[in-house]
Amino acid sequence: GENVEQHPSTLSVQEGDSAVIKCTYSDSASNYFPWYKQELGKGPQLIIDIRSNVGEKKDQRIAVTLNKTAKHFSLHITETQPEDSAVYFCAASRRHSGTYKYIFGTGTRLKVLA
Amino acid sequence: GAGVSQSPSNKVTEKGKDVELRCDPISGHTALYWYRQSLGQGLEFLIYFQGNSAPDKSGLPSDRFSAERTGGSVSTLTIQRTQQEDSAVYLCASSSTGETQYFGPGTRLLVL
Repeated sequence: GENVEQHPSTLSVQEGDSAVIKCTYSDSASNYFPWYKQELGKGPQLIIDIRSNVGEKKDQRIAVTLNKTAKHFSLHITETQPEDSAVYFCAASRRHSGTYKYIFGTGTRLKVLA
Repeated sequence: GAGVSQSPSNKVTEKGKDVELRCDPISGHTALYWYRQSLGQGLEFLIYFQGNSAPDKSGLPSDRFSAERTGGSVSTLTIQRTQQEDSAVYLCASSSTGETQYFGPGTRLLVL
């Protein structure tokens, strides 16, 4: 079946360094890729997304890149801060029976060390 | 504007009891989703509602799980005869287009 692999499962970086999280998807029909940040005790919050007609998207310190040929996409966080510490989830989705079905990765726990 | 809200935020119940979890989607969002997140795991799709269409129940793990959405807005997820393996965070999301989903804070269910 369809799946999304996410790596690494945990990531520790020094404050100010960059963090990169990678996801690989199996369904070549996937065309929408959101990233969510989940802080302890809270629901996932959308931080950035990308559609399949775009190769890269940036929003301040956050960027996402997409390689459709290789079927992988990555989240890049630059100049990390302690408040970036959270669990990050990627998802791949495509339109199916009137909606977009999300397949989520298993999450990356990011720790930014002050 | 107001986001997705869920209640209760925490629920402790005894094995065998029924529980009801509530979700209030963002106003005007026609699509509503329920997910389950077990400790340290990703999000598992449970059920999806879109307008007046029949719900997509393909993710419900057993017939003890059911959900309804009244008036195209509020949704209730019911778990009957709860088991310890039902302990998890239950997340609700809503969407206006179906493409981008916005999540609520979740209900943390603990079955003793």
